[in-house]
Amino acid sequence: KAGVTQTPRYLIKTRGQQVTLSCSPISGHRSVSWYQQTPGQGLQFLFEYFSETQRNKGNFPGRFSGRQFSNSRSEMNVSTLELGDSALYLCASSPTGPQTNTEAFFGQGTRLTVV
Amino acid sequence: GENVEQHPSTLSVQEGDSAVIKCTYSDSASNYFPWYKQELGKGPQLIIDIRSNVGEKKDQRIAVTLNKTAKHFSLHITETQPEDSAVYFCAASEGTYKYIFGTGTRLKVLA
Repeated sequence: KAGVTQTPRYLIKTRGQQVTLSCSPISGHRSVSWYQQTPGQGLQFLFEYFSETQRNKGNFPGRFSGRQFSNSRSEMNVSTLELGDSALYLCASSPTGPQTNTEAFFGQGTRLTVV
Repeated sequence: GENVEQHPSTLSVQEGDSAVIKCTYSDSASNYFPWYKQELGKGPQLIIDIRSNVGEKKDQRIAVTLNKTAKHFSLHITETQPEDSAVYFCAASEGTYKYIFGTGTRLKVLA
């Protein structure tokens, strides 16, 4: 069974631009979560989607948004990029239905560098 | 707010020795506690987890204990091997996929 696939693996963008990251969950998984990982702040929750609906959201500005498609694939978008947005963005997928959480399986991440 | 403290930040052990990593959580509603291992250039990999209705769980060389009263949970790795060298993260959740992660422990197993 294929794991969580994130594309692209690496990305370099300029301040002020926007970026879209993609995540394909494990087949059959309907929940997709996004995390930002930085050396200073560690792993921080961005948002979670289930059945195309955002079910939970972390404490990030509105420049960070996401969506989920009917096939459970998810994208996140960051607009008006800032230098501080440079990070490893991780996607995790989970097999569960609503409310009861089980394991979350992470992809390898997208390394975003903002210059 | 929600917070998970993790100690130590770095840990060096001799091959064959045991390693213990400790976490403390603040949200009493937390009921799910996964542990992840992250190797260089890779995403976090789930290695073991425990739910609030269980005090201890073991899987071969790794075990996790939970003390709900004290809001502590710990990861124990016995008979450490060089391939155990990585960064380990604890996390806590109140039943959603909004995990609150600890700050990580860099484990070095010295051959």
